[in-house]
Amino acid sequence: QKEVEQNSGPLSVPEGAIASLNCTYSDRGSQSFFWYRQYSGKSPELIMFIYSNGDKEDGRFTAQLNKASQYVSLLIRDSQPSDSATYLCAVNYGGSQGNLIFGKGTKLSVKP
Amino acid sequence: EAGVAQSPRYKIIEKRQSVAFWCNPISGHATLYWYQQILGQGPKLLIQFQNNGVVDDSQLPKDRFSAERLKGVDSTLKIQPAKLEDSAVYLCASSSVFRGSSGANVLTFGAGSRLTVL
Repeated sequence: QKEVEQNSGPLSVPEGAIASLNCTYSDRGSQSFFWYRQYSGKSPELIMFIYSNGDKEDGRFTAQLNKASQYVSLLIRDSQPSDSATYLCAVNYGGSQGNLIFGKGTKLSVKP
Repeated sequence: EAGVAQSPRYKIIEKRQSVAFWCNPISGHATLYWYQQILGQGPKLLIQFQNNGVVDDSQLPKDRFSAERLKGVDSTLKIQPAKLEDSAVYLCASSSVFRGSSGANVLTFGAGSRLTVL
């Protein structure tokens, strides 16, 4: 059973702080990793994806991947109240034919 | 580009009734997915199509759920008969393969169809 685990939160951080969101996955065959943001009542929207070990930065967002530890994280720098949402970690196990398996999501609250 | 279109946005039915959801993917996207998202949980894949062929339907409750993708474009997801536990948001997504990667599928989701079964 392929699983993706996330702390459901809520994670509360003050405005301007760094929010750190974590995700672990069960299958070493996993190939690519995605972070989606989902506002309440809305559909998931892609923030970024990563498939190589190390860090990938996009604006205020940094994804970190450690395949040996089966761990992926998302850092949000200078957190804003508009970042308050549920963040879904998703794992692609099957390459170009593979679908995404999602975690349950971590709810982030950024306090002004 | 236009996004993934879904309808209806909301549907309320009694248990044992039937319901159908429609999805039109992003133009040119060969892969289409139906996910079920129950409140407080992450999306769970129901079925994946590549063009008009089924790639994965291992988690589709086939005794009550069916899906088709005629001509490899639009798709319909049907539930008959509905149960209380089918109350969820049904998300349609489509993807094209990201070139230069290990084959990562970047999914774009539609707005979803929220089903309430009473």
